[in-house]
Amino acid sequence: NAGVTQTPKFRVLKTGQSMTLLCAQDMNHEYMYWYRQDPGMGLRLIHYSVGEGTTAKGEVPDGYNVSRLKKQNFLLGLESAAPSQTSVYFCASRWDRIHEQYFGPGTRLTVT
Amino acid sequence: KQEVTQIPAALSVPEGENLVLNCSFTDSAIYNLQWFRQDPGKGLTSLLLIQSSQREQTSGRLNASLDKSSGRSTLYIAASQPGDSATYLCAATTAGGTSYGKLTFGQGTILTVHP
Repeated sequence: NAGVTQTPKFRVLKTGQSMTLLCAQDMNHEYMYWYRQDPGMGLRLIHYSVGEGTTAKGEVPDGYNVSRLKKQNFLLGLESAAPSQTSVYFCASRWDRIHEQYFGPGTRLTVT
Repeated sequence: KQEVTQIPAALSVPEGENLVLNCSFTDSAIYNLQWFRQDPGKGLTSLLLIQSSQREQTSGRLNASLDKSSGRSTLYIAASQPGDSATYLCAATTAGGTSYGKLTFGQGTILTVHP
């Protein structure tokens, strides 16, 4: 039982490049989330999904897109990276609103 | 809009002390409150989840309390150890409306326990 895993762990992009961050969970959770963590700003929700095939915007969705084609995977895409997207990205999942939310180890992204 | 505040922002104590970390939230309509630990450069590890109907949850040397009516939670750490040094985050799951299990986080308390 690996829990929540994220790929890659680190990445450096140039401005304008694109990339996809992959999140996978093996707990059969319905709800999945993408957060970003920045110094002084705390953790903020980017996008979330309440089930396979569904996605919705969180607090800071601009510049990001997501997809949830399979229940266990939640992908976060950056179409044209900007330096303001330099951050640590965390994926999380939970069974429902009552149960614990579990986090992945994070992806450290630098955009130059 | 839910807002979560943690006090103090940083705390330094000698080994063996009992300590209390504070968390307050503005909207008392919550499903639950979760406490996390984050080590430098690492992800978030869940410590305790306390449901809105509960007053306390305990795990080993950790005890979390919840007073929903006053919008407060505390994390009590007994007999602190250097290995407890980390950032502690509290997060609330707000109920109602377009609730989707999102967590609203505080800014965290950086704890240092020195030998």
